Amino acid sequence: NAGVMQNPRHLVRRRGQEARLRCSPMKGHSHVYWYRQLPEEGLKFMVYLQKENIIDESGMPKERFSAEFPKEGPSILRIQQVVRGDSAAYFCASSPIDRIGEQYFGPGTRLTVT
Amino acid sequence: AQSVAQPEDQVNVAEGNPLTVKCTYSVSGNPYLFWYVQYPNRGLQFLLKYITGDNLVKGSYGFEAEFNKSQTSFHLKKPSALVSDSALYFCAAFGAGNMLTFGGGTRLMVKP
Repeated sequence: NAGVMQNPRHLVRRRGQEARLRCSPMKGHSHVYWYRQLPEEGLKFMVYLQKENIIDESGMPKERFSAEFPKEGPSILRIQQVVRGDSAAYFCASSPIDRIGEQYFGPGTRLTVT
Repeated sequence: AQSVAQPEDQVNVAEGNPLTVKCTYSVSGNPYLFWYVQYPNRGLQFLLKYITGDNLVKGSYGFEAEFNKSQTSFHLKKPSALVSDSALYFCAAFGAGNMLTFGGGTRLMVKP
């Protein structure tokens, strides 16, 4: 059973460009979470999704950030018009429906905005 | 609002000595508590969890954690540290909104 997959692992964008981060949950997992980790800091919750449904986006910045988890395909975290402050590691996690709170993390996408 | 605190930014121990990484929490209701480890440039790996039952929880790589309700603590422990245990450790609580709230992390340095 493959783990949580994230791609790309590293992404470099210039200010003003768009960044798309993809996450494929573990097989059988229907819950996806996105977290952001700034250098030397802990993880901060961004958004929690189930298939075709955003459950909790209380950690998402109000502008430029969006997330989706379509019926088919990976979950996408989209950052429009990136700024230098968006540079961070973005982690996706998934969990099964029957083991509340037990989240399995992907390797992360390191976004660098130049 | 729930919160998780890890009071030590860094813990230094000698190889072979016992280690403790501290964590305290503030959650409403019954807490679901977790420890994760992060190696450089890697994602988080699940170590162990407390949901209910025995206060002493055993997890991966010889780690264990003790849940103490009166002190609202969930300290991570290992009887004998290895150099390879050197990493960043995060305590987390699961609660409202189905999200994990993480502590700030503690860097564990195990010296030979």
